[in-house]
Amino acid sequence: DAMVIQNPRYQVTQFGKPVTLSCSQTLNHNVMYWYQQKSSQAPKLLFHYYDKDFNNEADTPDNFQSRRPNTSFCFLDIRSPGLGDAAMYLCATSSKGQGSGYEQYFGPGTRLTVT
Amino acid sequence: AQSVAQPEDQVNVAEGNPLTVKCTYSVSGNPYLFWYVQYPNRGLQFLLKYITGDNLVKGSYGFEAEFNKSQTSFHLKKPSALVSDSALYFCAVRDTAGFQKLVFGTGTRLLVSP
Repeated sequence: DAMVIQNPRYQVTQFGKPVTLSCSQTLNHNVMYWYQQKSSQAPKLLFHYYDKDFNNEADTPDNFQSRRPNTSFCFLDIRSPGLGDAAMYLCATSSKGQGSGYEQYFGPGTRLTVT
Repeated sequence: AQSVAQPEDQVNVAEGNPLTVKCTYSVSGNPYLFWYVQYPNRGLQFLLKYITGDNLVKGSYGFEAEFNKSQTSFHLKKPSALVSDSALYFCAVRDTAGFQKLVFGTGTRLLVSP
């Protein structure tokens, strides 16, 4: 089945130690998103890629970076994690273009713990 | 700016009873509305959407939603609730000012008791 995969599902890192979360998709969607979700709150969009074009949300801290080396993969890099960055990180994809339904498809998430 | 409101933090219903999870929206232009469900430690799962057409939209797992333009509402419904429906439900609207961004409501926790 076509899907969005996130690895690892659980990640523990130390305060200030860089960490990378990964996302892959078999849906062949041209848009990929990264969200941060805390404590059953609404997901907060960090940034998205439309093909190779990177779009950062205005309030996303510089500590968060992303890479999309190809259509299938997207990475979230947290350069110096703080305790406040502990959260669930969700990757999502959508298809932009004629006939797009605009819905986003989410991966299972990576729960990040910062010690 | 587009927005959605979910007025209830939690909805409690007994198994077998009908359920409604409320959502109201504020948009300029025609709304594109969505419902998602999130189970514990999982990502969001797409349930259904309204873009145009019939006001009653049918989705996954027996859920449906009714689009009401005059009341600017898009309530999620199910005729007979299951214990397994217990989860966090998010209403969302497509932000026409942004790039296909979804603007999420604050979420409603549904608790179905046996």
